[in-house]
Amino acid sequence: DADVTQTPRNRITKTGKRIMLECSQTKGHDRMYWYRQDPGLGLRLIYYSFDVKDINKGEISDGYSVSRQAQAKFSLSLESAIPNQTALYFCATSEKTGMGQPQHFGDGTRLSIL
Amino acid sequence: GQQVMQIPQYQHVQEGEDFTTYCNSSTTLSNIQWYKQRPGGHPVFLIQLVKSGEVKKQKRLTFQFGEAKKNSSLHITATQTTDVGTYFCAGYNFNKFYFGSGTKLNVKP
Repeated sequence: DADVTQTPRNRITKTGKRIMLECSQTKGHDRMYWYRQDPGLGLRLIYYSFDVKDINKGEISDGYSVSRQAQAKFSLSLESAIPNQTALYFCATSEKTGMGQPQHFGDGTRLSIL
Repeated sequence: GQQVMQIPQYQHVQEGEDFTTYCNSSTTLSNIQWYKQRPGGHPVFLIQLVKSGEVKKQKRLTFQFGEAKKNSSLHITATQTTDVGTYFCAGYNFNKFYFGSGTKLNVKP
């Protein structure tokens, strides 16, 4: 969806560098998520946020941190990148109402750590 | 912990053949969703199933949710080349989605 924008789309960096991936949305959704996708492993949840003051760890939060700067913005940081964090990263949003609302994904950030 | 297993990992079919992918959860789910990801694209929501034993259809796609709300399937009748992509299930429980590993479908014309 163009309504969920991720930057950058591609990034190559070196081990030990600090990286920030950004996500912004114009859908007005309260809930935002960060996933990583690895071949054969599907999508794994890193962090999720139900509103600006609510941040929660997902399955694989070690080595990552997040910041919810506003309802529309949710950024993911790798404090000291390592090669096994090479992956495709997706941001997603969903509505607050109801149970398990459909998620709307950005186009992804392909991150390579050398 | 919560796990959602999905099989098969890959499926190659001739155009016109049927295709089915299966998901199985280690615990009862509140609901289950299905997504399709085209090559080079992002996951796109297809459908959500909530009720025990629920069956929903979208043209050639049939989705089922098991009676125990622990398994689900997606069946495509008479595949077309436009069906190519990876199909994911996502089980919802305890405010989180648990994605299956996906089934990559290739359709030969």
